Amino acid sequence: DAGVTQSPTHLIKTRGQQVTLRCSPKSGHDTVSWYQQALGQGPQFIFQYYEEEERQRGNFPDRFSGHQFPNYSSELNVNALLLGDSALYLCASSFVAGGSQETQYFGPGTRLLVL
Amino acid sequence: KQEVTQIPAALSVPEGENLVLNCSFTDSAIYNLQWFRQDPGKGLTSLLLIQSSQREQTSGRLNASLDKSSGRSTLYIAASQPGDSATYLCAVRPIGSRLTFGEGTQLTVNP
Repeated sequence: DAGVTQSPTHLIKTRGQQVTLRCSPKSGHDTVSWYQQALGQGPQFIFQYYEEEERQRGNFPDRFSGHQFPNYSSELNVNALLLGDSALYLCASSFVAGGSQETQYFGPGTRLLVL
Repeated sequence: KQEVTQIPAALSVPEGENLVLNCSFTDSAIYNLQWFRQDPGKGLTSLLLIQSSQREQTSGRLNASLDKSSGRSTLYIAASQPGDSATYLCAVRPIGSRLTFGEGTQLTVNP
């Protein structure tokens, strides 16, 4: 079991560009959540996907969008990049039927630098 | 709005010392609480998960306690080792799957 995988590991973009980050969940998991972690801070929830739909969303603008595919993998898209979007983007997967015992498993993250 | 605070922000101890990391949260209506470890530039590794009905969980040298009514959790690390050096994050989960994280405690264990 490869666990949660993310690609790419690192990315450099310039302001105004668009970026797509990818996540493959742990085997058996059906729910994917995305988090943004700025340097020196805790992760902030962006949104969660289940059954190919966005189920919950944090306090992030519409420039942040996502998608979940039938195989449960997911993409995070960010349009019109700002310098402040520079961060580690973490993907977490879980099994929704796990209920209160559900543990989220995190991937290694994608480090995005916006210049 | 749920807020999670971790104290101290940074901690440096000599090898072999026992230590306690603190986490407090403002809304006691939580499903569970998790402690994570994060190495520099890496993802998060789940250490312990405590259900809202539980008081503590143990794994090896780690023990986490939860006092939901007072909005507090502690992570106790026994006989610390240099390999324990990392940032430790506390996260609470209300009903639903989104986690709310604290800003972490950066631990350094000196040989």
